Amino acid sequence: NAGVTQTPKFQVLKTGQSMTLQCAQDMNHEYMSWYRQDPGMGLRLIHYSVGAGITDQGEVPNGYNVSRSTTEDFPLRLLSAAPSQTSVYFCASSYTSTSGSGSYNEQFFGPGTRLTVL
Amino acid sequence: KNQVEQSPQSLIILEGKNCTLQCNYTVSPFSNLRWYKQDTGRGPVSLTIMTFSENTKSNGRYTATLDADTKQSSLHITASQLSDSASYICVVRGGTTDSWGKLQFGAGTQVVVTP
Repeated sequence: NAGVTQTPKFQVLKTGQSMTLQCAQDMNHEYMSWYRQDPGMGLRLIHYSVGAGITDQGEVPNGYNVSRSTTEDFPLRLLSAAPSQTSVYFCASSYTSTSGSGSYNEQFFGPGTRLTVL
Repeated sequence: KNQVEQSPQSLIILEGKNCTLQCNYTVSPFSNLRWYKQDTGRGPVSLTIMTFSENTKSNGRYTATLDADTKQSSLHITASQLSDSASYICVVRGGTTDSWGKLQFGAGTQVVVTP
């Protein structure tokens, strides 16, 4: 299994440009999500999906769109890039695990995309 | 205000020494707490996950503790190695046994292990 893959690894955009960050997983996980990571801050949820055809907004959704046409893929679109969107973006997929102490959501992260908007 | 606070922000330790990282949270109701290790330029990788009924869990040289009454957790690294140099992130999920709340991420503690 490749796990969670993201492309590209690095990207530089000019203000106003649009682009799509790709995310794919081969673990057949229903739940996928996008985060951004900024210095000195915890990861923040942008959008998430609980299954193909279902998406919802997270904590910081403005300026981003997502779609989930298949279980495997969850692309993130920047509609009109702004310098405030300079960040490292992580995609994650997860499944529910159940043990004697309860159930929880086991999450796997991709390697990240470092985006710079000039 | 972040509902998950980690301390210290960073620390430097000598190879072979032990260290302890702290996590305080205000998330309520509480579902589970996890510690992730994030190497530079990589995505976070799960070390441990603890539910409210667990107060300690180990993964090799990593031992996490949880006190759900005081809303505190710690991650203890034993006999540190150079490969332990990374950021360690505390993450708390709110919710109940019937429904999950969202994940709340701490800002992380940057650990540098020196020879």
